[in-house]
Amino acid sequence: DGGITQSPKYLFRKEGQNVTLSCEQNLNHDAMYWYRQDPGQGLRLIYYSQIVNDFQKGDIAEGYSVSREKKESFPLTVTSAQKNPTAFYLCASSIDTVNTEAFFGQGTRLTVV
Amino acid sequence: GQNIDQPTEMTATEGAIVQINCTYQTSGFNGLFWYQQHAGEAPTFLSYNVLDGLEEKGRFSSFLSRSKGYSYLLLKELQMKDSASYLCAVTGFQKLVFGTGTRLLVSP
Repeated sequence: DGGITQSPKYLFRKEGQNVTLSCEQNLNHDAMYWYRQDPGQGLRLIYYSQIVNDFQKGDIAEGYSVSREKKESFPLTVTSAQKNPTAFYLCASSIDTVNTEAFFGQGTRLTVV
Repeated sequence: GQNIDQPTEMTATEGAIVQINCTYQTSGFNGLFWYQQHAGEAPTFLSYNVLDGLEEKGRFSSFLSRSKGYSYLLLKELQMKDSASYLCAVTGFQKLVFGTGTRLLVSP
């Protein structure tokens, strides 16, 4: 089945460690996105990519990094520079970044202790 | 920049009609989406508006006025399962940006 997969669903890390969240899609979508969601809040855009080998900062990119070496993969690294990394992270993809709906993965809940 | 505003929370009773508003100010605009999100789950697509007017899809309808920077989502014949957050999102300048979301509580 086609879809978008995030792993793991729950992730625990110690403060000061970098951690990488996986996002894979087999929908042949060009565009991919990473969002952060805090309790009771909306989605805030971290990074987005319109096409392979290209990505742009969103509204809250500080402390995060991404890569887009393959069309189907868009991993997000939460670095130790991110001051408050505990949150629900959502990855999404769409055919393009203009007028097509985004499909979301099931999310990764990251807890930093 | 982009600014998208929605009411934080709304309540309604089963069987009623509710309208969730969204206002936006963006430097670029291609279209507006509505998503539904149940607690702890991923958002799911509800509707899309690119031209002014009303789009109807079953119990859900969405309206857009580009000149006013305004949209609403209309939910009819409310059911308990409609208790969720409703997210307004705008595409412009090659990115998809979400509003703060509206938490809807449907009571019996």
